[in-house]
Amino acid sequence: DAGVIQSPRHEVTEMGQEVTLRCKPISGHDYLFWYRQTMMRGLELLIYFNNNVPIDDSGMPEDRFSAKMPNASFSTLKIQPSEPRDSAVYFCASSGTNLRGYTFGSGTRLTVV
Amino acid sequence: SQQGEEDPQALSIQEGENATMNCSYKTSINNLQWYRQNSGRGLVHLILIRSNEREKHSGRLRVTLDTSKKSSSLLITASRAADTASYFCATDAGGYSTLTFGKGTMLLVSP
Repeated sequence: DAGVIQSPRHEVTEMGQEVTLRCKPISGHDYLFWYRQTMMRGLELLIYFNNNVPIDDSGMPEDRFSAKMPNASFSTLKIQPSEPRDSAVYFCASSGTNLRGYTFGSGTRLTVV
Repeated sequence: SQQGEEDPQALSIQEGENATMNCSYKTSINNLQWYRQNSGRGLVHLILIRSNEREKHSGRLRVTLDTSKKSSSLLITASRAADTASYFCATDAGGYSTLTFGKGTMLLVSP
């Protein structure tokens, strides 16, 4: 298995633009997580899915953020409109049913100018 | 909010020395996990210790857990330059809860 695959690896965009981050979890994993990492706040859970259904989105900062999982092999995190304070590294992770160790992707480094 | 708190925030040692990182948490857990993050990469799962375990080994890694003190330690023996990374503890409260990560310890191992 190639692991959790995220794209793009880097994204630079202008304030106000829409940004879409993509994730392909490990095949067979039931859980998918979106995290955001910054120096100030560390690693924050934004939202997670179980069997493609959003379970807890209480970590999503505001309505500008949305996430979808249309099928078991694909998820997106969208920011519209983007703001400079959204600049961070966004990680996708997946896990099996027993919720043991998480497997993380390599992340998307987002810079909003 | 983040439950795990690592200590120290940063640690600098020489190759061959041992590195010890600590993690404290606040509420009851089902298990505690340690992850490593190399610069510019995602987190990698290292080891999991269940709440009824006190010590666990994996290669050069040794993890201890003291549930009475709500603390854990990660020991890396005979460190190498390749061990340079940030190390995070994560707590699992069990049930359908998700992992809660600390802010990590940055380890620098100099040749």
